[in-house]
Amino acid sequence: AQSVTQLDSHVSVSEGTPVLLRCNYSSSYSPSLFWYVQHPNKGLQLLLKYTSAATLVKGINGFEAEFKKSETSFHLTKPSAHMSDAAEYFCVVSYNTGGFKTIFGAGTRLFVKA
Amino acid sequence: GAGVSQSPSNKVTEKGKDVELRCDPISGHTALYWYRQSLGQGLEFLIYFQGNSAPDKSGLPSDRFSAERTGGSVSTLTIQRTQQEDSAVYLCASSSPVQRADTQYFGPGTRLTVL
Repeated sequence: AQSVTQLDSHVSVSEGTPVLLRCNYSSSYSPSLFWYVQHPNKGLQLLLKYTSAATLVKGINGFEAEFKKSETSFHLTKPSAHMSDAAEYFCVVSYNTGGFKTIFGAGTRLFVKA
Repeated sequence: GAGVSQSPSNKVTEKGKDVELRCDPISGHTALYWYRQSLGQGLEFLIYFQGNSAPDKSGLPSDRFSAERTGGSVSTLTIQRTQQEDSAVYLCASSSPVQRADTQYFGPGTRLTVL
């Protein structure tokens, strides 16, 4: 079965400190992996995606994620948090079985303290 | 260019009434998704349209929910005999899938409140 698990429902960091949002997936297929961000009362925005090229993927706003097949992980990181990073983050797995299937993780809410 | 648009942005209705939610995808996108996001929850997949193929309706929670996509473009999600548990934000996304990747572009959502 295919699944996505975001290991933390909430993460709180201080401004200027590193961010780590954890995501593990399970897929029998070769998946594409995404991170989306949702700011309060806003739509979802794509941060970055992995589609089988480089395993270290760089996205917008200084975020990056590394695809680790051996660990079935796709953790999202940022070296230094900014107040504007406070939002909900969703890890997503997508795979093609003749039609695309997309599974969203439950989300991780990131709080950034001044 | 224009992104995905949804209307209305907010809808308040009474229990038992029918509602229609509209999604205008990005021009040229062949795939269209509907999701539901309840308060404090993740996204729940509802239905997926891809080109002229039969839609994937596996996520529709009951037969009160239906959706259509006319002319391969605009989509309407209809909820009949609304219930209070239908209250949520309904999100639409469109994409132009390539072999591996299906990057979805989301609309701002319709917030549905059933009284």
